[in-house]
Amino acid sequence: NAGVTQTPKFQVLKTGQSMTLQCAQDMNHNSMYWYRQDPGMGLRLIYYSASEGTTDKGEVPNGYNVSRLNKREFSLRLESAAPSQTSVYFCASTLWSGAGTGELFFGEGSRLTVL
Amino acid sequence: DQQVKQNSPSLSVQEGRISILNCDYTNSMFDYFLWYKKYPAEGPTFLISISSIKDKNEDGRFTVFLNKSAKHLSLHIVPSQPGDSAVYFCADSNAGNNRKLIWGLGTSLAVNP
Repeated sequence: NAGVTQTPKFQVLKTGQSMTLQCAQDMNHNSMYWYRQDPGMGLRLIYYSASEGTTDKGEVPNGYNVSRLNKREFSLRLESAAPSQTSVYFCASTLWSGAGTGELFFGEGSRLTVL
Repeated sequence: DQQVKQNSPSLSVQEGRISILNCDYTNSMFDYFLWYKKYPAEGPTFLISISSIKDKNEDGRFTVFLNKSAKHLSLHIVPSQPGDSAVYFCADSNAGNNRKLIWGLGTSLAVNP
């Protein structure tokens, strides 16, 4: 059981380049999330998708776009990368149905460096 | 504005002793608080949760205590082991917020042999 899988694990970009981070989960979860983690900043929500076909902004959406391709997959796109987007990105999912704890399952992370 | 605060960025304890990690919150409408553990170069993993209707939840060496009047919760690890060395995050989970977790900044725990 793979859980949440993110690709790539590492990427170096030049300022202005574009790229897409891919995320897939095999747990039949409804909701998916993209976070970034920076030193001293904790985990900050970029975008989330409460269910297939919907996406919403989180705390720090500027400079990013997302696509909920199907129930399994949720991608994060940087159209024109900036050094401020150097970070570790985490994808997460949950079976949220209004009940339960809302426990999130995380991928291993994607370390992105923008030069 | 909902906030979750972990005021201690780091904590160091001896193996076998108790580790106590603290978390303060402002939102009185939460449903659950969750604790996550994160090792370097890995994603966070769920550790333990506590419901707003309980004062305590225990799972093996890990116990969460909730003090609603003080808006404070704490995670106790007894006995601490070197493998517990990690960053610990607490997070507020509220169904009214679409389960968008509100995260603390984390506490880095070092358990010394």
